[in-house]
Amino acid sequence: QQQVKQSPQSLIVQKGGISIINCAYENTAFDYFPWYQQFPGKGPALLIAIRPDVSEKKEGRFTISFNKSAKQFSLHIMDSQPGDSATYFCAASTGAGGTSYGKLTFGQGTILTVHP
Amino acid sequence: GAGVSQSPSNKVTEKGKDVELRCDPISGHTALYWYRQRLGQGLEFLIYFQGNSAPDKSGLPSDRFSAERTGESVSTLTIQRTQQEDSAVYLCASTSDGRGANTGELFFGEGSRLTVL
Repeated sequence: QQQVKQSPQSLIVQKGGISIINCAYENTAFDYFPWYQQFPGKGPALLIAIRPDVSEKKEGRFTISFNKSAKQFSLHIMDSQPGDSATYFCAASTGAGGTSYGKLTFGQGTILTVHP
Repeated sequence: GAGVSQSPSNKVTEKGKDVELRCDPISGHTALYWYRQRLGQGLEFLIYFQGNSAPDKSGLPSDRFSAERTGESVSTLTIQRTQQEDSAVYLCASTSDGRGANTGELFFGEGSRLTVL
């Protein structure tokens, strides 16, 4: 029930295209859904995050879409650039019972490659 | 430094040896987390420290794993009698918000890559 399933495992997109990564969760107590971006040899860094009171959040070229009833959320990268090539992780957590939102359950990751 | 600092960056050890991994969080960050990242996998939560509260050890995979934190400063993750399945990158993160209730944002270090031969 704690799993977060992420797809696809890898994604190749042409420069200027749209990258879409999907995640599904089971634990209905989750109420915080971040996406982290990780470059080789670096630690993950927060990209964008959403809470379930909204269905969409946009920051620049990055958009999270959230479907509470389906227990799914996705990351859309518009106008993908070669510099976006990295591994992307979705994650989820809950603050229920005084738990820390930093105690995240991560998806398996998606390796995104954007060709010039 | 401005970020989370981890050492060593790489550690190669023999099966059965003990290892210590160190994390220096961002100054002023009250909460500290350890995660494990196996090759090609997502991150797995190991342990969480918040101030003087008892740590949340619910993610530690076995009693060979332990961690300590001195106040709101440095933390050490110790793995005793290492096994080959312990090979992974061990990531430390910190945050200024104890529960991450406002932003939930974790600031990660670059990790310590452990290889057990």
